[in-house]
Amino acid sequence: QQPVQSPQAVILREGEDAVINCSSSKALYSVHWYRQKHGEAPVFLMILLKGGEQKGHDKISASFNEKKQQSSLYLTASQLSYSGTYFCGTEEGNQFYFGTGTSLTVIP
Amino acid sequence: DGGITQSPKYLFRKEGQNVTLSCEQNLNHDAMYWYRQDPGQGLRLIYYSQIVNDFQKGDIAEGYSVSREKKESFPLTVTSAQKNPTAFYLCASSSNSGPLTLTGELFFGEGSRLTVL
Repeated sequence: QQPVQSPQAVILREGEDAVINCSSSKALYSVHWYRQKHGEAPVFLMILLKGGEQKGHDKISASFNEKKQQSSLYLTASQLSYSGTYFCGTEEGNQFYFGTGTSLTVIP
Repeated sequence: DGGITQSPKYLFRKEGQNVTLSCEQNLNHDAMYWYRQDPGQGLRLIYYSQIVNDFQKGDIAEGYSVSREKKESFPLTVTSAQKNPTAFYLCASSSNSGPLTLTGELFFGEGSRLTVL
């Protein structure tokens, strides 16, 4: 039930790009992305509702491949503030499941 | 300002004691959720409630209990039956009781960190 994310952890230098993937064994109807700073609550980034949809703000964007039951989060020209753990989230019935998480660390 | 308030932020408990974590929201949301997070791991669903006086078990409900007597409040009790209760607990809400697709996001409280001594 829990979506699987890859990689589990990544370290970037400022200005580098990263891709985080989220895969589900079940059909996806929507995908959410959240970021959690250490010791804080997760914060909503975006939701993708349709297969093939792409969204983004600032330099963070995401895509949703409904057929492959996958979503990817793209971080471009990373900043120190991007550090944190990223979670995808999917709905199943009335429950909401978070992915396994990807720890992203941006260093100067 | 609208939001979700969890208390206490930190809590220490002796083994064998029950403890109740508070979650209050003034967002007028129908659905509320409790998640548990262990260090370096993801969030796992404990209980959720779509309407007042109704709640459903999540994946790890054993050793926990909840109530939903008011729309604004969804307290979680960690009972002595919970074998490993030390964790970070997060309460969340969303504006409709069905799938999240129509509204988008979950809103989270700041969390309660429970340590069993």
